[in-house]
Amino acid sequence: GAVVSQHPSWVICKSGTSVKIECRSLDFQATTMFWYRQFPKKSLMLMATSNEGSKATYEQGVEKDKFLINHASLTLSTLTVTSAHPEDSSFYICSASDFDINTYEQYFGPGTRLTVT
Amino acid sequence: TQLLEQSPQFLSIQEGENLTVYCNSSSVFSSLQWYRQEPGEGPVLLVTVVTGGEVKKLKRLTFQFGDARKDSSLHITAAQPGDTGLYLCAGVIEDSSYKLIFGSGTRLLVRP
Repeated sequence: GAVVSQHPSWVICKSGTSVKIECRSLDFQATTMFWYRQFPKKSLMLMATSNEGSKATYEQGVEKDKFLINHASLTLSTLTVTSAHPEDSSFYICSASDFDINTYEQYFGPGTRLTVT
Repeated sequence: TQLLEQSPQFLSIQEGENLTVYCNSSSVFSSLQWYRQEPGEGPVLLVTVVTGGEVKKLKRLTFQFGDARKDSSLHITAAQPGDTGLYLCAGVIEDSSYKLIFGSGTRLLVRP
């Protein structure tokens, strides 16, 4: 149980285009989803927290107009990187939780590698 | 800003050796988790510690949460090449956000 998927697993896009990454909880309802970014050989950096049906809360320094997050249902959150630039190339990881049941377990997706050319 | 510092940042050891990874902060965490991550994959949860002073064992891995819930350690006995990976500690901050703050990471290489 507690499986989280991400799609696509990797994507290459041209500068100036937008790309959408999906995060799905497959066998549970996720009241909260988190989006992280990871640079090569570095740790995970929290970008934003999204709760179903409400606006995402972004961490300091993360541009909300650049990284659009939508959490329209209890099993799906999307991250859209708008007007992508090469510096947006990174490994993006989501996690999902049902904090109504468990106050500290987050279940991580397998990640999406974005390369902007 | 809560910060979790891990040490060492990189560790290269021979198979069969023991090692300890440390995770330290000036902040108190309601719980702390250890993850292992392989290249190109998401982190996989190894253990969650909740109570100050708590010790948990997972086969050859021993995890300890500090009495003050500000630090933790991971000890691996008789390391094997399969233990190679990025080890991350992550603390849940004591507010209502349930956010995980990740440590800086320790990259472990176990040579056969």
